[in-house]
Amino acid sequence: SAVISQKPSRDICQRGTSLTIQCQVDSQVTMMFWYRQQPGQSLTLIATANQGSEATYESGFVIDKFPISRPNLTFSTLTVSNMSPEDSSIYLCSVERGTDTQYFGPGTRLTVL
Amino acid sequence: GQQLNQSPQSMFIQEGEDVSMNCTSSSIFNTWLWYKQDPGEGPVLLIALYKAGELTSNGRLTAQFGITRKDSFLNISASIPSDVGIYFCAGHDAGNNRKLIWGLGTSLAVNP
Repeated sequence: SAVISQKPSRDICQRGTSLTIQCQVDSQVTMMFWYRQQPGQSLTLIATANQGSEATYESGFVIDKFPISRPNLTFSTLTVSNMSPEDSSIYLCSVERGTDTQYFGPGTRLTVL
Repeated sequence: GQQLNQSPQSMFIQEGEDVSMNCTSSSIFNTWLWYKQDPGEGPVLLIALYKAGELTSNGRLTAQFGITRKDSFLNISASIPSDVGIYFCAGHDAGNNRKLIWGLGTSLAVNP
């Protein structure tokens, strides 16, 4: 398994501002993933972040809105830019360990007013 | 995007009862994963399945990778109040292995 922490655990932000979410893993991993989970919904992949290369974004998500950094093998950040109330969600990071198995952080609950 | 068909959507049971939920896909999968999510938390991996026909247990939980590779089920025996939560299935499509495909979740409520 993996021990994953996220900061902040929750935040309330004003429209038009940006929030950077941090994800820290207890040991080195190649693949890190960022998800969004809207209230009462399943998980939607935002992007895959590999160290040393640019993140790969899923359809409907763009780098200008969700810039991602992956400076090393244990850390990544996701920024939610120019926020609107529609960005209110839980944001989750995950890592891949073993064969195609993902482990998740505790999530960041974001409310945009 | 692609999504798994997970059922039932919700269940309300009495403590001590057994529970069964399943997921189906329209394409062949290489991996089936079952997660539980408590309110305000991230999903926690319960069971991972890697080959067709595989049957794996984790305490009171049992899951199977269907032999057609297009379905999986999760059983919970003798449910207890702490089983309350949302259960998600997820898997890797054999044709697009890098991205996890998710079900919509099964919400479980247990009456003590």
